[in-house]
Order: sequence, then C-alpha cells, then structure tokens
Amino acid sequence: AQSVTQPDIHITVSEGASLELRCNYSYGATPYLFWYVQSPGQGLQLLLKYFSGDTLVQGIKGFEAEFKRSQSSFNLRKPSVHWSDAAEYFCAVGAISNFGNEKLTFGTGTRLTIIP
Amino acid sequence: DVKVTQSSRYLVKRTGEKVFLECVQDMDHENMFWYRQDPGLGLRLIYFSYDVKMKEKGDIPEGYSVSREKKERFSLILESASTNQTSMYLCASSLAGGGIGTDTQYFGPGTRLTVL
Repeated sequence: AQSVTQPDIHITVSEGASLELRCNYSYGATPYLFWYVQSPGQGLQLLLKYFSGDTLVQGIKGFEAEFKRSQSSFNLRKPSVHWSDAAEYFCAVGAISNFGNEKLTFGTGTRLTIIP
Repeated sequence: DVKVTQSSRYLVKRTGEKVFLECVQDMDHENMFWYRQDPGLGLRLIYFSYDVKMKEKGDIPEGYSVSREKKERFSLILESASTNQTSMYLCASSLAGGGIGTDTQYFGPGTRLTVL
C-alpha cells in the first residue's frame, strides 16, 4: 500500500526567504505525486503534479518540486516566499491499479507560517 | 474554472441526528469524493463515486453513507451523528480517465461539522 510522510508539522519562514517542504513516499512502482495547498478557510488547490518525464516540475505561484526516485522524495521549493504563501501544504501519492483499489493518499500536511 | 460547492460552511448538530452534507460540481466530472480532514491525520477518504448511483468505500466509511442520484451532486449522510464525527468534511471531483489515484482533484471549501 502506498503511504506519504511529511516530517515537518509546522515551518516558519521569513518573507523573502527560500522554502523547502519535505515529502517522502512509499510505493512499489512509479508513483503519481501531487502537492496541494490549503489557504485558511479554503479547500485544497493543486500546486503541481508529477507523472513522468523531467523530474523537476514547475507549478503555480512560483513553486517547483523535484522527484528523486533514489530518495523516495518529492520536496516542494520556492526561492522567495510571500506573506500570501502562509497556508497548509499537502503532499499526495496516487497510483494506477485494479479499479477499486487505487486512490490518492495524502500526507498529514505542513503548516507554513510567514513572518515579516 | 471548475467549481465545487458545498451546502454549508459551518454546521452544528446534536448526537443522534441524521446529517446531510451536499456537494455540487459544475464541470461534468465523473468522479466525486468525500474526505474527512482532522489535525495531524491529513485527509482520509470516506467514500467515492465514479458514476451516478455507483459508490465505493474509502478508508473510513463506518458511520457514513453516500448518495449520487445526479452526476453533479454527491451527498454524504451521517445516519446517527456522534461526537467523534466532529470534523472538517471536504468534497472533491475529478474527470474520468487516468483513474481516481492519478487525476487532479478539485476541492470544495469544506464543511466544518460540530456534533454536540
């Protein structure tokens, strides 16, 4: 069964500083990987996703993520954060399998706080 | 833009009441999902539906049922609400195609349910 670990529950970053949120997954084959963001009072919005090809994926709002198969990781990065990036971030792993067994598995989330 | 709407943002019910949470999507998506979001646990899948009148159990279906009579509408039913069902409930939808574990899911804003 697939699983996702987000080791950081809460991260605080100064506005303008760089950001890296960690995500590790467990899955036997090549996974489908996603990062979603949840702003306060909102539902989740897709930031980016990786299926295959170039392991560095660009997303919305200036975010990028890199798939590293050897480390089973899909870390999210942004070179310079803005106060509006304060939110909760979820990594998710999906897979194709026999219909009825496949699903999207979410990590427990990382809450990002931005300080001036 | 895909829009997923949920009937209530906040709901307060009493133990033993029957509770209906409604979700509507306007993009003709085949798949619809109900998740429960709790601090430290991330999102957990309750039920999903891949077609009208079709449903499949997710990871935590106990105490819940669902109904999908029309393609655009997916209802979550708590037959007899209990205090341990106090939570944030998120509805999502996705296109058919690659599969429920691989397609981008579009989320509603959530319903925060409190059971007293």
